[in-house]
Amino acid sequence: GAGVSQSPSNKVTEKGKDVELRCDPISGHTALYWYRQRLGQGLEFLIYFQGNSAPDKSGLPSDRFSAERTGESVSTLTIQRTQQEDSAVYLCASSLEGTSGTSYNEQFFGPGTRLTVL
Amino acid sequence: AQKITQTQPGMFVQEKEAVTLDCTYDTSDPSYGLFWYKQPSSGEMIFLIYQGSYDQQNATEGRYSLNFQKARKSANLVISASQLGDSAMYFCAMRDEGYSTLTFGKGTMLLVSP
Repeated sequence: GAGVSQSPSNKVTEKGKDVELRCDPISGHTALYWYRQRLGQGLEFLIYFQGNSAPDKSGLPSDRFSAERTGESVSTLTIQRTQQEDSAVYLCASSLEGTSGTSYNEQFFGPGTRLTVL
Repeated sequence: AQKITQTQPGMFVQEKEAVTLDCTYDTSDPSYGLFWYKQPSSGEMIFLIYQGSYDQQNATEGRYSLNFQKARKSANLVISASQLGDSAMYFCAMRDEGYSTLTFGKGTMLLVSP
């Protein structure tokens, strides 16, 4: 089946504008994650959705960032009033279910959206 | 709090040789999982190998093995018989008990030369 897809692949925007990034997880995957990767850095967790539970928003850097997910399907990450420091690759991942600790549960990553804020 | 440290920003290896990429971690939880991902220049994250904190044996997946030293809190990735296609960024990550998300290190860039 298809993997995780993200759109757009590239987005260039002007400072102060709002942007929406889309993620289509693998069908049947109940857990969905958003990460941010700045140039030359590792991935930073942003937000996590698991089924119908309240999302874990603990990684969102400011109230300009928000995300929604419709059921167990598509998710959109919205950044309002973009700043130059928001420039990064935004990666989405999905897994069969959200588990913790030693439970093996591979996260499958999408190709990312490269956001450039001018 | 979880923390992953990868001290090697870059590594060079010749084709067909083995290479070890270092990873140390910090956690107070006895239950956790350790992961390695490969990120080629194309940008996708490719899962390589997993080690659970209670696993008795070191994980292996083909040419990849994880040298897990629990007392030292290290989880080094060993790639045997390097290939040109192994050139990429490599990230170590962990997940603590009670967390579903991964904490990543800053990565190591591996370059394999002919």
